[in-house]
Amino acid sequence: EVQLVESGGGLVQPGRSLRLSCTASGFTFGDYAMSWVRQAPGKGLEWVGFIRSKAYGGTTEYAASVKGRFTISRDDSKSIAYLQMNSLKTEDTAVYYCTREQMTTVVIPFDYWGQGTLVTVSS
Amino acid sequence: AIRMTQSPSSFSASTGDRVTITCRASQGISSYLAWYQQKPGKAPKLLIYAASTLQSGVPSRFSGSGSGTDFTLTISCLQSEDFATYYCQQYYSYQYTFGQGTKLEIK
Repeated sequence: EVQLVESGGGLVQPGRSLRLSCTASGFTFGDYAMSWVRQAPGKGLEWVGFIRSKAYGGTTEYAASVKGRFTISRDDSKSIAYLQMNSLKTEDTAVYYCTREQMTTVVIPFDYWGQGTLVTVSS
Repeated sequence: AIRMTQSPSSFSASTGDRVTITCRASQGISSYLAWYQQKPGKAPKLLIYAASTLQSGVPSRFSGSGSGTDFTLTISCLQSEDFATYYCQQYYSYQYTFGQGTKLEIK
């Protein structure tokens, strides 16, 4: 059974940092790109960024709203994806989901999601 | 970034109705369009990708169509479990973007 479990959320002050983890199981983690998607309270979905699989270079892409502040990385040996969030702003308050994407001849986006972890940025 | 606009933003329908939600991209995205269903307090669920391919396990009453800039999600016969919020998403450009969502409520 495919599972994605986020952890690391919590209350953090503006300007500080936080690192989220997404622990995967039930599939070959290294074969998939991993994305982070967030949802502010009562709002819609916002894609944050993704990291490609090593087969596709392991490179990253980010939304303009987080570029330069957030960094996505992965440890295929542990089946974990990370979201390092620096210089946090109050508008980064959201539930953060990790999700996987199959990037092969047929791209299948976001077919499994974690349960989400809440990040609250407040003084 | 490509802007995705859904319509309507919300509407009411009854069990058994046929409903259609539309999604328009600000520029052409070929068929790189997905639809998700989200219920309160839950993660989104992939319904359709590549504009019209039904994700495994999704009931056949859901269907998608369109290419380029205009897309639709159709639910042929609403069931009680279909009342939720629906989002479209483009994955043509590496600045992925979602529509603002369409909340489907019980009439």
